[in-house]
Amino acid sequence: QKEVEQDPGPLSVPEGAIVSLNCTYSNSAFQYFMWYRQYSRKGPELLMYTYSSGNKEDGRFTAQVDKSSKYISLFIRDSQPSDSATYLCAMRTQAGTALIFGKGTTLSVSS
Amino acid sequence: ETGVTQTPRHLVMGMTNKKSLKCEQHLGHNAMYWYKQSAKKPLELMFVYNFKEQTENNSVPSRFSPECPNSSHLFLHLHTLQPEDSALYLCASSQEPGWDTEAFFGQGTRLTVV
Repeated sequence: QKEVEQDPGPLSVPEGAIVSLNCTYSNSAFQYFMWYRQYSRKGPELLMYTYSSGNKEDGRFTAQVDKSSKYISLFIRDSQPSDSATYLCAMRTQAGTALIFGKGTTLSVSS
Repeated sequence: ETGVTQTPRHLVMGMTNKKSLKCEQHLGHNAMYWYKQSAKKPLELMFVYNFKEQTENNSVPSRFSPECPNSSHLFLHLHTLQPEDSALYLCASSQEPGWDTEAFFGQGTRLTVV
């Protein structure tokens, strides 16, 4: 079993839709959870960062962590064409320096 | 310039060539990283540098040789690469080696080995 599983998609939605992106993981020692957004021909940029369990909201974006299920989610409300990108989940342990990434989910929002 | 800058943006090299990738950060960060991004694979950490010292080598083949002359610059020297080394090579930096502070990525160097 891979450490971090993420459905690569592609996921296509109309403008204004609510988007749900998910990752599952196997290492119960992961404590830090992040979502990166990567536009085509660009490097990843940090979108959301969460420590341990719970929810975090930033504008149209909400990150959720369910450690009991080893499951993290990113919700995008009122999706926009500018949200079209690849979304990478990443996580690390308390002591680790290395981020473990998912493969990324490609999202396309059509106007 | 601000942020993390990588050069060149694209590189095509033969298997017998020697080339170098360059990364420069203007953020005053102390930690720098090399990542490899291949199609349909997760980002893979290659090397970690903290205050110019290599603190992590993620079992990377010796045909990849990193160099960090100071906290602002990071190089990846390439020699006798294989076609399967073709990928996007990303440099990143953060204030400290842990990732509980924001890490910034460069735009990457798209490497093609022929």
